[in-house]
Amino acid sequence: DQQVKQNSPSLSVQEGRISILNCDYTNSMFDYFLWYKKYPAEGPTFLISISSIKDKNEDGRFTVFLNKSAKHLSLHIVPSQPGDSAVYFCAASEWGGGFKTIFGAGTRLFVKA
Amino acid sequence: DADVTQTPRNRITKTGKRIMLECSQTKGHDRMYWYRQDPGLGLRLIYYSFDVKDINKGEISDGYSVSRQAQAKFSLSLESAIPNQTALYFCATSEGTGGTGEQFFGPGTRLTVL
Repeated sequence: DQQVKQNSPSLSVQEGRISILNCDYTNSMFDYFLWYKKYPAEGPTFLISISSIKDKNEDGRFTVFLNKSAKHLSLHIVPSQPGDSAVYFCAASEWGGGFKTIFGAGTRLFVKA
Repeated sequence: DADVTQTPRNRITKTGKRIMLECSQTKGHDRMYWYRQDPGLGLRLIYYSFDVKDINKGEISDGYSVSRQAQAKFSLSLESAIPNQTALYFCATSEGTGGTGEQFFGPGTRLTVL
């Protein structure tokens, strides 16, 4: 039973346009939702997070939206750049201390120049 | 220097062999984790440790064991490797309490079991 789902294995976007990566979850007890970015031959790195009590968090070109009623979150990247090409993991944490963090399967983003 | 390091970076071994993957961190975090990544399955938790004396099984601990030798060191062992343990393994750390649960990952170890 996957508690965090990323249904799109890959996404291709033109440079300068918006990239939207989606994530669904089933456990309403999650406290935080996080996005990680992973380049080949490197470990995942934290990108942005959102508390379950918020519906939006913005950091530069990256914005995460949370819709609790739909148990859905999305990451928007505007404008997309070729350097954004990577695998993006959605994750959900039940405790703020990092315990019981569940990761989605990842979405590979291709940004075409 | 990297905050979380893993050795080796790549390893090829044979079925039945014992293998140890090592992780060291300089972030001063109490919490450490071992994950494996498989295509289409994301990152799955193998073991986690909240401090030197506290070690817990994760989602997929069968066939694995761990040792927390010090706050900075957390090693993962495969007592008798099998081919379906071929995967990318990541070590991670996080702060003890509070915050978003952000984890800091090592660069990964690619393990192939023949």
